[in-house]
Amino acid sequence: EAQVTQNPRYLITVTGKKLTVTCSQNMNHEYMSWYRQDPGLGLRQIYYSMNVEVTDKGDVPEGYKVSRKEKRNFPLILESPSPNQTSLYFCASAGQGPDTQYFGPGTRLTVL
Amino acid sequence: DAKTTQPTSMDCAEGRAANLPCNHSTISGNEYVYWYRQIHSQGPQYIIHGLKNNETNEMASLIITEDRKSSTLILPHATLRDTAVYYCIVRDRGGSNYKLTFGKGTLLTVNP
Repeated sequence: EAQVTQNPRYLITVTGKKLTVTCSQNMNHEYMSWYRQDPGLGLRQIYYSMNVEVTDKGDVPEGYKVSRKEKRNFPLILESPSPNQTSLYFCASAGQGPDTQYFGPGTRLTVL
Repeated sequence: DAKTTQPTSMDCAEGRAANLPCNHSTISGNEYVYWYRQIHSQGPQYIIHGLKNNETNEMASLIITEDRKSSTLILPHATLRDTAVYYCIVRDRGGSNYKLTFGKGTLLTVNP
């Protein structure tokens, strides 16, 4: 089954404790992306990747890192999480550009 | 990319057609219209896209006016499972912008 998977689905952590949210797709897609969604602010893009080893900032990249060492995986790294990064995070992938994206189920992160 | 305007919310009776409007009066010739939807707290789901011709797939139809300044997404026989936020997005596929920007969307509520 074609899908985008994210782990963990739920995470509660404390300020400053480094964490990684994994994202994997099985569709051989070139394009991958991370979004965060907050009430009243909608979906905002954090980072995207057009291909392996190619990443670029989205609209809200501060406080996040990504890497794309292989096509199927695109982890999101929070080196020193803060409470304002409490949010619902979505990973997505698409064939070559951002136009028809498949989204993962989301990761609900709470930073205390 | 051109900005879009959508109503904040709409209601529809189950089994009837749901017609969701989107205004994109500043759209340029290379910009496509995309529709996504998001069922509560799930990842967004791609529905359909088009440039200037009307499009139809198994989920919906997209009607774009001749001047391309507005479009309508039609769900021909709405069900309760179609209750979601629907996003209309405009993007230039030929440009160097590799992002999709989600606005506030329209909350469609399908009533029994």
